[in-house]
Amino acid sequence: GAGVSQSPSNKVTEKGKDVELRCDPISGHTALYWYRQSLGQGLEFLIYFQGNSAPDKSGLPSDRFSAERTGGSVSTLTIQRTQQEDSAVYLCASSWRDSSYEQYFGPGTRLTVT
Amino acid sequence: GEDVEQSLFLSVREGDSSVINCTYTDSSSTYLYWYKQEPGAGLQLLTYIFSNMDMKQDQRLTVLLNKKDKHLSLRIADTQTGDSAIYFCAESRGGSYIPTFGRGTSLIVHP
Repeated sequence: GAGVSQSPSNKVTEKGKDVELRCDPISGHTALYWYRQSLGQGLEFLIYFQGNSAPDKSGLPSDRFSAERTGGSVSTLTIQRTQQEDSAVYLCASSWRDSSYEQYFGPGTRLTVT
Repeated sequence: GEDVEQSLFLSVREGDSSVINCTYTDSSSTYLYWYKQEPGAGLQLLTYIFSNMDMKQDQRLTVLLNKKDKHLSLRIADTQTGDSAIYFCAESRGGSYIPTFGRGTSLIVHP
């Protein structure tokens, strides 16, 4: 009965390295979202998965960002060749398909690129 | 301008009412939400309102929607120190599952 979990909670990486961020949604939730929260900014939508449909990638800021969702459950967000402007908190949320207005958020991964 | 705008800070005294305001630009918005984010935590859905409603009340929370002016407000009665957090306004339109969030209002409650 756990909520959405994310790992790691904090990640410090050097510029140019690749990072992987993990999200475990609530069991049974078919929709999964990734957002980015930069200091003083609102939430920026990155990508949306719904069941077996093709993901909505319209929010990914560059081709260095990619995400996958295996078996309709766990999702991994990958950032290649990280840049300092990628530093932010990356939030994952999940919901029932028909209840997108009720998203459950994880605690986030704070990424710092040095 | 941004799609969803909110003031960045609000300071109130414990026991007073807090009113957090939000304006949005999309007249086809169907759902409007308020989320709360405590330090180091993810967002928690507080309440939401459908665009065909004017008001929704839930215990200490009252949401008012003025669709004509595209203005949404969240009133917290008898504000407590535990209410200190960042409050995000968000909207989405029918057929879209992706809300647009404001930058958040930091509510500071002092004794």
